[in-house]
Amino acid sequence: DAGVIQSPRHEVTEMGQEVTLRCKPISGHDYLFWYRQTMMRGLELLIYFNNNVPIDDSGMPEDRFSAKMPNASFSTLKIQPSEPRDSAVYFCASRPSGRTNEQFFGPGTRLTVL
Amino acid sequence: AQSVTQLGSHVSVSEGALVLLRCNYSSSVPPYLFWYVQYPNQGLQLLLKYTSAATLVKGINGFEAEFKKSETSFHLTKPSAHMSDAAEYFCAVIGVGTSYGKLTFGQGTILTVHP
Repeated sequence: DAGVIQSPRHEVTEMGQEVTLRCKPISGHDYLFWYRQTMMRGLELLIYFNNNVPIDDSGMPEDRFSAKMPNASFSTLKIQPSEPRDSAVYFCASRPSGRTNEQFFGPGTRLTVL
Repeated sequence: AQSVTQLGSHVSVSEGALVLLRCNYSSSVPPYLFWYVQYPNQGLQLLLKYTSAATLVKGINGFEAEFKKSETSFHLTKPSAHMSDAAEYFCAVIGVGTSYGKLTFGQGTILTVHP
């Protein structure tokens, strides 16, 4: 299995631009999670999906952020418009159903907003 | 709500020395607890997990953790540190109720191993 796939691995953009991060979870996994990691705030859960349905988006910082999961094999996290404070590493993770199953993390997307 | 607190944001040990990374949890129900490791420029990887079976849990790379209910702790240990253990380590607890599906992570502990 290829693991969780994220693209791009690095993104540099200018303030005000739209940014789209992509994630392909491991086949057969029912849950998908988006995290943001920064030095100041650590690892934060932004949103998670179960069977393609958003379950908890309370971690989404503001309306500039949106996430979709149109099917079981693809999810996007969009920031529009982007701001310098959005600079962070964004991780996608997936896991199978079953409460104690581990989450498998992707390699992350390092976003820099200038 | 479930939460975990990692004591010490940075821990430094010599190669061959004992590694002890501390994690205390807060939970209204018996918790399920995890330790993850993050190597530089990589995603998180599961080291071990406690799911109410044996209180001493063995993981990968020689790490183990002991669940102590009386101390609400789940400290991570390794008898002899190796240079390759240098990484950031996260303790996490799984949610209950409306937070059923998600993990809550601690702030992380950066482990440095000196030759």
